[in-house]
Amino acid sequence: ETGVTQTPRHLVMGMTNKKSLKCEQHLGHNAMYWYKQSAKKPLELMFVYSLEERVENNSVPSRFSPECPNSSHLFLHLHTLQPEDSALYLCASSQLETSTGELFFGEGSRLTVL
Amino acid sequence: AQSVAQPEDQVNVAEGNPLTVKCTYSVSGNPYLFWYVQYPNRGLQFLLKYITGDNLVKGSYGFEAEFNKSQTSFHLKKPSALVSDSALYFCAVRDRGSNSGYALNFGKGTSLLVTP
Repeated sequence: ETGVTQTPRHLVMGMTNKKSLKCEQHLGHNAMYWYKQSAKKPLELMFVYSLEERVENNSVPSRFSPECPNSSHLFLHLHTLQPEDSALYLCASSQLETSTGELFFGEGSRLTVL
Repeated sequence: AQSVAQPEDQVNVAEGNPLTVKCTYSVSGNPYLFWYVQYPNRGLQFLLKYITGDNLVKGSYGFEAEFNKSQTSFHLKKPSALVSDSALYFCAVRDRGSNSGYALNFGKGTSLLVTP
């Protein structure tokens, strides 16, 4: 157990659906991240939240909408996705004050868009 | 900009033999470097990191990595591979002078296959 829990682990949705991915960290960290993992490509950083404020948005399409209601929870709201959005979505957390610190990852949510 | 390159998609090694998984980095300043491992259907697990000091870093499960500034490399090594080491390995970097937050930039991963 890494202390970062993601739900659901698997999600299948149509292009017109609205769904959400949830991430919860039990490590007392104050920064949270969403990464997208596609086969044979580098992990793509999507969003960074620092102290519950979004500090980075790497040109992610608006059909992905993050939400960070508190330092322990992070959501990724999904709306009118495309088949190429099918991927493993990884949540991570870290402690800001330790800038050398590693990220702690959840086990990911496998998304399939039909 | 900061980035890492993992030149090999796959590395094959026989159990008991030494293994090396290659990583080179590019940053404008001095780097923080990391290795992570991902087992099937799991998230990424931290193995080791280089911050400063000794160029040889020891990590989990008997892995180590050598920081080489002149070659801008941070190769992952293990003296004797186990079948259970078979997994996907990711190298990651953060420029210690970066203002881009605390996120890490990852490579595309190298699949390690250890055969009995």
